[in-house]
Amino acid sequence: EIVLTQSPGTLSLSPGERATLSCRASQSVNSNYLAWYQQKPGQAPRLLISGASSRATGVPDRFSGSGSGTDFTLTISRLEPEDFAVYFCQQYGGSPPVTFGGGTKVEIK
Amino acid sequence: QVQLVESGGGVVQPGRSLRLSCAASGFTFSTYAMQWVRQAPGKGLEWVGVTSYDGSDTYKADSVKGRFTISRDNSKNTLFLQMDSLRAEDTAVYYCARGLKRLDYWGQGTLVTVSS
Repeated sequence: EIVLTQSPGTLSLSPGERATLSCRASQSVNSNYLAWYQQKPGQAPRLLISGASSRATGVPDRFSGSGSGTDFTLTISRLEPEDFAVYFCQQYGGSPPVTFGGGTKVEIK
Repeated sequence: QVQLVESGGGVVQPGRSLRLSCAASGFTFSTYAMQWVRQAPGKGLEWVGVTSYDGSDTYKADSVKGRFTISRDNSKNTLFLQMDSLRAEDTAVYYCARGLKRLDYWGQGTLVTVSS
């Protein structure tokens, strides 16, 4: 099983600041199969990034994804009030075929 | 527009069964793999299982193997999750989601509470 470890668990930042979220895999992940999701309280997750770096439709360009192999990063260039949420990474491949990271909460400092 | 609407959640006693449904609209359901993902209260996302576009292949998490069954009726654009021998640790919001490698649309979720 490919285990995804996200860090930090919580990120305390102010609006306008840059957020850098990490997702580390226990073994190499095909970059085409690494995605990031945003989840706000009481809502379903929303796809932000797929293929490690491709923004989903309607996702602002302040969100960017990068990385390969076992290390992936989600960057929010300048935090807007609506960006404070929990972010999950997800990979496809291996057995089981889908796993999620434990999540990073981005909270207002 | 793409819509996924789950139903069938509720309170159930340990050891009993429940069947969740996910009604899909706004896309050609029969051409997409579909997944179930759950989220225990205050916890992260846990993958439950996936079914291929035609239902011929399904994979499930070890935590639900032998107890949960995933199926679909492409004539009715509906995905199902049959949950048997429910345990307290199955308490969660259950989401259906579209896709295989990436989950691009999610339903709003349905809450399943397993309690005596």
